[in-house]
Amino acid sequence: GAVVSQHPSWVICKSGTSVKIECRSLDFQATTMFWYRQFPKQSLMLMATSNEGSKATYEQGVEKDKFLINHASLTLSTLTVTSAHPEDSSFYICSAINTGGTGELFFGEGSRLTVL
Amino acid sequence: AQSVTQLGSHVSVSEGALVLLRCNYSSSVPPYLFWYVQYPNQGLQLLLKYTTGATLVKGINGFEAEFKKSETSFHLTKPSAHMSDAAEYFCAVSPPNTGNQFYFGTGTSLTVIP
Repeated sequence: GAVVSQHPSWVICKSGTSVKIECRSLDFQATTMFWYRQFPKQSLMLMATSNEGSKATYEQGVEKDKFLINHASLTLSTLTVTSAHPEDSSFYICSAINTGGTGELFFGEGSRLTVL
Repeated sequence: AQSVTQLGSHVSVSEGALVLLRCNYSSSVPPYLFWYVQYPNQGLQLLLKYTTGATLVKGINGFEAEFKKSETSFHLTKPSAHMSDAAEYFCAVSPPNTGNQFYFGTGTSLTVIP
């Protein structure tokens, strides 16, 4: 079946550095991907919709300059957390739509970011 | 506006007992409905979904859910709980024609007692 892969699965960084998280659709093309943030014991919060070849659409309250999204190809979207701070520590999950197939939404395994 | 309510943030059942996880939604039109399971430090895995057709939907791992329009509910059930069912469960809705926008409930943590 369709698989969405995230890398890295866990990253620890120093405060002030930038971290890039990749989301890849492995066996289908995804014109649209979504980025979520999940705090411990809480639900997923949609951060932004990533559109291939165009600018991402951010949800209200999400800083676009803080969370840079680039959907460079039909199989890859990246989320860059710029100048990370401890409050950015969270579990980041992406999802992708198999638009050419069943239209089903598939989720990545998640990436845990810890900012020291 | 869309909203999803999962009653009970924590549910405990004995191994072999019935599992019932509740989900109610608020939507102006019947949405597509989903249940996802999340194991620790992992992404979400689709259990089952309802889009159209038969209102009783069967999913993986013996789970099923029934869409009840009159009650705006989509409760998840499993006749006999297994230890491996212990996880976090999320109900989600996706209104038709919204470009696959998903709205998640707050989640229910299922504990299975041996």
